[in-house]
Amino acid sequence: EADIYQTPRYLVIGTGKKITLECSQTMGHDKMYWYQQDPGMELHLIHYSYGVNSTEKGDLSSESTVSRIRTEHFPLTLESARPSHTSQYLCASSEYRVGVNGIVFGPGTRLTVL
Amino acid sequence: AQKITQTQPGMFVQEKEAVTLDCTYDTSDQSYGLFWYKQPSSGEMIFLIYQGSYDEQNATEGRYSLNFQKARKSANLVISASQLGDSAMYFCAMREPSSGSARQLTFGSGTQLTVLP
Repeated sequence: EADIYQTPRYLVIGTGKKITLECSQTMGHDKMYWYQQDPGMELHLIHYSYGVNSTEKGDLSSESTVSRIRTEHFPLTLESARPSHTSQYLCASSEYRVGVNGIVFGPGTRLTVL
Repeated sequence: AQKITQTQPGMFVQEKEAVTLDCTYDTSDQSYGLFWYKQPSSGEMIFLIYQGSYDEQNATEGRYSLNFQKARKSANLVISASQLGDSAMYFCAMREPSSGSARQLTFGSGTQLTVLP
């Protein structure tokens, strides 16, 4: 069983609201990631972190921000949600060098902005 | 340049038959790893199988095997005895040391597999 958790699993919210998607892992992994994925489409890396107090932007530009104050916690925040933010957000973690078990993914958060 | 190419957007297979999902990759590194993930309609990404570039044997995990052809730079996933529960999106991914730790895994665009009863 993967030990990476995301809450909420589903979120429907109105335009302009501030939201935080939570992600926690209990595997002690150094690296954590956020991917954005539209239904049936490929994954896009939007944020990643090497460890505490380290955050970097990924391949796809995103208006969201992230923080890494604790090793196990990597929340993603949208200050003002818009319909264009409607998507699935997948959190993941790995050892510093991705090993034979790959990147471990959380169950995802499906966000709908009305 | 596309690092991972999955040319089959959708595939159909009859239950109990075998199916091959194609994946080709592009790298100049000698040391790299190839991964396959399954994503059911519920959305989670499930790790299936790993093949290292120096592994001499094709990787196998239960009904999953990886047909690794290094010279052709292909890493096709073979699912034997398909089951209805195999219906899902399948992603091929690659780890390259030279990509920098930013992009530890590069994903393909995926193949939607549908198993027919």
